[in-house]
Amino acid sequence: DAKTTQPPSMDCAEGRAANLPCNHSTISGNEYVYWYRQIHSQGPQYIIHGLKNNETNEMASLIITEDRKSSTLILPHATLRDTAVYYCIVRVALEDSSYKLIFGSGTRLLVRP
Amino acid sequence: EAQVTQNPRYLITVTGKKLTVTCSQNMNHEYMSWYRQDPGLGLRQIYYSMNVEVTDKGDVPEGYKVSRKEKRNFPLILESPSPNQTSLYFCASSLWAGPQETQYFGPGTRLLVL
Repeated sequence: DAKTTQPPSMDCAEGRAANLPCNHSTISGNEYVYWYRQIHSQGPQYIIHGLKNNETNEMASLIITEDRKSSTLILPHATLRDTAVYYCIVRVALEDSSYKLIFGSGTRLLVRP
Repeated sequence: EAQVTQNPRYLITVTGKKLTVTCSQNMNHEYMSWYRQDPGLGLRQIYYSMNVEVTDKGDVPEGYKVSRKEKRNFPLILESPSPNQTSLYFCASSLWAGPQETQYFGPGTRLLVL
């Protein structure tokens, strides 16, 4: 079962910031939050990840609440090419030292011209 | 160019006819994984491999086999495909299974089993 909850769809205007929320209230202390996106039916593309602190890279910013029960992905200046399904994922460690990404249903973001 | 490749990209087959979907990565990654994606069910892990000759079941391994004889290749084998294996399949890899390793996904293989 997915450990995250996201709104099924959102939209924003081109050039504006897109703020995508995610709830992960059952996350454990050593589990990372990852964000991927999927454009049409292409392979998911990594965006950003974090554990406790806020993170920023060339694609986006990730804001994680202090209690780690929720996070927000921010695309600072959305473009039409950012239209995609965005997945908030909790990375779960397994007993054999490997890990698993548990994908939920994601948020379908539509960027309007 | 660093990438994960899959072949074929599209495949139509009939029930019971064995098939193999190949996956190859050129990044010297140790960890590789197969997922299937179905409407309303998201991406679910089929099998994964932490290194050569080491494979383990994911969440939905029934009806699938994998092998990892070389680091770069991780083929997915359907010995006797059935219509419920019609799906979109993705292969992914990461450098290793560390806590901050990013998975890189292939372009996907769309399979239709009649």
